[in-house]
Amino acid sequence: GENVEQHPSTLSVQEGDSAVIKCTYSDSASNYFPWYKQELGKRPQLIIDIRSNVGEKKDQRIAVTLNKTAKHFSLHITETQPEDSAVYFCAASKNNNAGNMLTFGGGTRLMVKP
Amino acid sequence: NAGVTQTPKFRVLKTGQSMTLLCAQDMNHEYMYWYRQDPGMGLRLIHYSVGEGTTAKGEVPDGYNVSRLKKQNFLLGLESAAPSQTSVYFCASRPSPKQPQHFGDGTRLSIL
Repeated sequence: GENVEQHPSTLSVQEGDSAVIKCTYSDSASNYFPWYKQELGKRPQLIIDIRSNVGEKKDQRIAVTLNKTAKHFSLHITETQPEDSAVYFCAASKNNNAGNMLTFGGGTRLMVKP
Repeated sequence: NAGVTQTPKFRVLKTGQSMTLLCAQDMNHEYMYWYRQDPGMGLRLIHYSVGEGTTAKGEVPDGYNVSRLKKQNFLLGLESAAPSQTSVYFCASRPSPKQPQHFGDGTRLSIL
């Protein structure tokens, strides 16, 4: 099955700096890669996603890049703010008859210091 | 439109007890999922359903059963709770395989 690894597990940045979180996946058939943000005690919320037919996607201060050859994708947050502090999860899935199950990475705890 | 609603929010059980977690969605979504979240391990899929009357095993199904008798509800059952099942349980749903998953607020379950 799919295996998703996420690095780093914790990341501390100064407010205004950029943050980058990286994920690798094992199944070359995976074609959908969402990123979720989870604040303490809250539900995971989708912040951005990318499909395998594009290499990059941006939404204001957030961007995701995908390298299908190397089987890795990254989340980039620019001009970080204290409210960006949370745990971020990457995930991967593929089109199949098994409900397009998402396999999640282990999460990255991002701390933005004011 | 409440989205995905999970009940209860918190529960403490003794080893060997049984209970059912309820997930309800009012978005007419076909696909529903149950995950558990343990510290440092992300979310792991327990069971899922691709439509009313269907269920299938995920990554960590042992010790759990599920039912999807109505399209809007997905029930997760623990027949004989064990301390290893102490976790936060999240339900999610989506309308089709190509759409994002929407999560509920979670159920924090402790088994003593």
